[in-house]
Amino acid sequence: QVQLQESGPGLVKPSETLSLTCAVSGYSINTGYYWDWIRQSPGEGLEWIGCFHPGGTTYYNPSLNSRVTISFDTSKNEFSLRLTSVTAADTAIYYCARRGGHDSVDYWGQGTLVSVSS
Amino acid sequence: DIQMTQSPSSLYASVGDRVTITCRASQGIRNDLGWYQQKPGKVPKRLISVASNLESGVPSRFSGSRSETEFTLTISSLQPEDFATYYCLQYNSYPLTFGGGTKVGIK
Repeated sequence: QVQLQESGPGLVKPSETLSLTCAVSGYSINTGYYWDWIRQSPGEGLEWIGCFHPGGTTYYNPSLNSRVTISFDTSKNEFSLRLTSVTAADTAIYYCARRGGHDSVDYWGQGTLVSVSS
Repeated sequence: DIQMTQSPSSLYASVGDRVTITCRASQGIRNDLGWYQQKPGKVPKRLISVASNLESGVPSRFSGSRSETEFTLTISSLQPEDFATYYCLQYNSYPLTFGGGTKVGIK
């Protein structure tokens, strides 16, 4: 059974950097699939942030204006999200997820709420 | 970016009703669309992939279809556990984009 679990600070100050990690169990991220970050602002819809594939490709949502970096550590079987220069608009539940090639997201983490506030 | 226009944004229906939710893509996405159900405080759950493939364990009252760039999620007979918010997701091209969501409430 594939499981994903997000971790990281629940509170970040404006202008600082949001950093989250997704630990994956039940599947090796180095084997394949795309690994996504998705967020959901309180009471709002879903926004795709970006992804990586162990083959070496990374894609980001242009709406985040190059503030995003996704990296991975195959030795720990986890991947990470870094979002710089955060504002209150970045307050959201952040999900990590798995997605097949030419398929939709099949596994989601439980999500972690990150609030941006001073 | 491919825009996914989902309608209606909310609807109110009774148990047993037939419910239809639509997502229209701003350009062709083949069958590269999934449907998700999200209940308050919960993680989205995939119902359908590749426009019409029902996820294992999902009741057969849910179905998906496609006509050109218009995709439809149908619940043939609404059950109490189906009251939730539904989203479509296109994965044809980057950035991936979700529809705005449809909240299905109790009439």
